[in-house]
Amino acid sequence: NAGVTQTPKFQVLKTGQSMTLQCAQDMNHEYMSWYRQDPGMGLRLIHYSVGAGITDQGEVPNGYNVSRSTTEDFPLRLLSAAPSQTSVYFCASRLRIREQYFGPGTRLTVT
Amino acid sequence: AQSVTQLDSQVPVFEEAPVELRCNYSSSVSVYLFWYVQYPNQGLQLLLKYLSGSTLVKGINGFEAEFNKSQTSFHLRKPSVHISDTAEYFCAVSDPGSQGNLIFGKGTKLSVKP
Repeated sequence: NAGVTQTPKFQVLKTGQSMTLQCAQDMNHEYMSWYRQDPGMGLRLIHYSVGAGITDQGEVPNGYNVSRSTTEDFPLRLLSAAPSQTSVYFCASRLRIREQYFGPGTRLTVT
Repeated sequence: AQSVTQLDSQVPVFEEAPVELRCNYSSSVSVYLFWYVQYPNQGLQLLLKYLSGSTLVKGINGFEAEFNKSQTSFHLRKPSVHISDTAEYFCAVSDPGSQGNLIFGKGTKLSVKP
């Protein structure tokens, strides 16, 4: 199993540009989540999904959209990038109330 | 809402010394607790977890943690650290009432010196 994969690993955007961060898992996990990690802030939940077609907001959802059309994929869309969205983004998956498995992360810089 | 407090942002120790990284959580209801480790420029790896049963939980790389319900704590310990343990450690709580989403502490950077 590849586990949780994320692409790209690095990305530089200009303010106002849009992009999609890709996330896929091959463990048939129901739950998938997106977190952002900023220095001294830990990981904060952006959006999550409890199954195909079902998504909900986390702690810091503004400026981000998600959809879940399949069990395997959970892309995160930045609609109009802002410097405040410079961060490291992690995707994770799990089976209900169990430990999360994390992807390797995407390091995003918005100039 | 749940919250997690990691009491030390940085912990410097010498190699082969014992270490304790402290974690407190806010809720007194049943929770599931986790410790993750993040090595530089990498993702998060599960160290250990408490779901139920024995309050002393053993994990990978010689780490262990003790769940204390009355003090709402889940401190991580290792009796003798190695240089390779240098990393950032995150405590997390999963609240069954909130779809099981993990709430993370802000992390503790462990720096092991020779």
